[in-house]
Amino acid sequence: DAGVIQSPRHEVTEMGQEVTLRCKPISGHDYLFWYRQTMMRGLELLIYFNNNVPIDDSGMPEDRFSAKMPNASFSTLKIQPSEPRDSAVYFCASSLQGANTEAFFGQGTRLTVV
Amino acid sequence: GEDVEQSLFLSVREGDSSVINCTYTDSSSTYLYWYKQEPGAGLQLLTYIFSNMDMKQDQRLTVLLNKKDKHLSLRIADTQTGDSAIYFCAESFGGDSSYKLIFGSGTRLLVRP
Repeated sequence: DAGVIQSPRHEVTEMGQEVTLRCKPISGHDYLFWYRQTMMRGLELLIYFNNNVPIDDSGMPEDRFSAKMPNASFSTLKIQPSEPRDSAVYFCASSLQGANTEAFFGQGTRLTVV
Repeated sequence: GEDVEQSLFLSVREGDSSVINCTYTDSSSTYLYWYKQEPGAGLQLLTYIFSNMDMKQDQRLTVLLNKKDKHLSLRIADTQTGDSAIYFCAESFGGDSSYKLIFGSGTRLLVRP
């Protein structure tokens, strides 16, 4: 397996535009996590899914953020409209079911909103 | 609530031991983890410890857990320049059907030659 695949690797967009980040988890993994990493706030859990169902979205900062997982092999994180303070690295991670298993991270998407 | 704290920065000389510390607030965590992040990359799992254990050793890595004080540490023996990275401690909550991973802010380790 190629691991968790995120696209794009880098995204630069203007304030007010819609941004869509994509993630393909490792095949067979039951859990998918979206994290945001900034210098100021570190690594924050935004939302996670179990078997394609959102379990906890309490970390999603505002209504401008939304995430979907239409099937077991694909998830999106959308920001609409984007703002400069959304600039960060967004990571997707997946793991097998169970609290004692390793979470595998993608390479991240570096988002810059100007 | 869940909160995981780490010191931001550690500098050691090559060949010395490094000790990275972490404190957490929620005692209901089931597993505690150490992840490593190299520049421009995602996080990779280094090691983990079950919450009812005190110590785990894995080659150059030693994890110590003091559950009473809610304190976790990672010791790296014979630190090498390739160990320079950001180290995150994390804890997981919940059972098999619903769990999440919460990370600390990360400790940047710099190994001087």
